[in-house]
Amino acid sequence: AQSVTQPDIHITVSEGASLELRCNYSYGATPYLFWYVQSPGQGLQLLLKYFSGDTLVQGIKGFEAEFKRSQSSFNLRKPSVHWSDAAEYFCAVGNSGGSNYKLTFGKGTLLTVNP
Amino acid sequence: NAGVMQNPRHLVRRRGQEARLRCSPMKGHSHVYWYRQLPEEGLKFMVYLQKENIIDESGMPKERFSAEFPKEGPSILRIQQVVRGDSAAYFCASSGLAAYEQYFGPGTRLTVT
Repeated sequence: AQSVTQPDIHITVSEGASLELRCNYSYGATPYLFWYVQSPGQGLQLLLKYFSGDTLVQGIKGFEAEFKRSQSSFNLRKPSVHWSDAAEYFCAVGNSGGSNYKLTFGKGTLLTVNP
Repeated sequence: NAGVMQNPRHLVRRRGQEARLRCSPMKGHSHVYWYRQLPEEGLKFMVYLQKENIIDESGMPKERFSAEFPKEGPSILRIQQVVRGDSAAYFCASSGLAAYEQYFGPGTRLTVT
């Protein structure tokens, strides 16, 4: 069964600093990988996705993520964090074969941004 | 609003009552998914529906929970005889033909007292 681990429950960074959120997955084949952001009281917004091809994926709001098959990782990065980036971030994996609608989510990383 | 809509946003029920959660998919989408988010947990898949069909309900608790997506109107997630452990955020997502590319609604936060 597929699984997702986000090792960091809570991260605090200063505004303007760089950010990296970690995500490790377990899946037998090449997975579909996603990062979602959830602001307080809001639904999940898709930041970026990886299906195949270039392993460096660009998303919205200046985010990017890199798929590293050898490390089973899909870490999210941003070079300079803005106060509005404070939210909870979820990594998710989807099945590239059958049942590809069944997304498996990590427990999330809560990002706090200090002024 | 072209996005996924859910209502109510907050729902309070006493133990033993029924909770009914509604989801209207994004315009043009005919696939609906329900996920549950327990406190400090990630989202867990519950059920996948197309119009008038349940495609996969493998994540639904065996009792008290049911879902439908009628030909007309929103998708409904129904929880009968709610218990405290049902308190959670319930998210609906929708997609077009690319089922893995899901768009989420704002969620319904159910509190059972």
